[in-house]
Amino acid sequence: DAMVIQNPRYQVTQFGKPVTLSCSQTLNHNVMYWYQQKSSQAPKLLFHYYDKDFNNEADTPDNFQSRRPNTSFCFLDIRSPGLGDAAMYLCATSSPGTGVTSSYEQYFGPGTRLTVT
Amino acid sequence: KQEVTQIPAALSVPEGENLVLNCSFTDSAIYNLQWFRQDPGKGLTSLLLIQSSQREQTSGRLNASLDKSSGRSTLYIAASQPGDSATYLCAVLNAGNMLTFGGGTRLMVKP
Repeated sequence: DAMVIQNPRYQVTQFGKPVTLSCSQTLNHNVMYWYQQKSSQAPKLLFHYYDKDFNNEADTPDNFQSRRPNTSFCFLDIRSPGLGDAAMYLCATSSPGTGVTSSYEQYFGPGTRLTVT
Repeated sequence: KQEVTQIPAALSVPEGENLVLNCSFTDSAIYNLQWFRQDPGKGLTSLLLIQSSQREQTSGRLNASLDKSSGRSTLYIAASQPGDSATYLCAVLNAGNMLTFGGGTRLMVKP
């Protein structure tokens, strides 16, 4: 089945130690997103790629970076994780769809839960 | 800036009841609206997508409606079951591929 895959599902890192989360997709969608979701809160968009075009949200901290080496993969790099960065990180994909009606339905991966010690 | 509100924040019902979850948004210039389900500690599962030109979508016991002019959507769940217990999130897509989420409704269906 076509899907969005996130690895690892659980990640523990030390305060200040760089960490990378990965996302891959078999849907061949041209848009990929990274969201941060803290406990009991709605997901918050960090950034997204439309093909290779990177779009950063204005309030995303510089501590967060992203790479998309090809259509299938996207990475989230946290350069110096702080305790406040502990959260669920969700990757999603979408595509304009085909035909007259635009879709952009977003498909989410299972998430990576990041713990910072 | 788009703002999305979901009411109620939490809901507890006995099994078998029909229920309605509400979502409102401030900017009617949306491309689509999605309803998601999220189980504790898990990712989001897309339930229904309504394009801006559509009025409603149905999938099994779920029916979602959209009134773009008034900035409202409802998710109707028929004959609720304990397995429906989860958090339900409403999200709208605006220009720039930005999806804005509501705070969610935590649903508990009691056997």
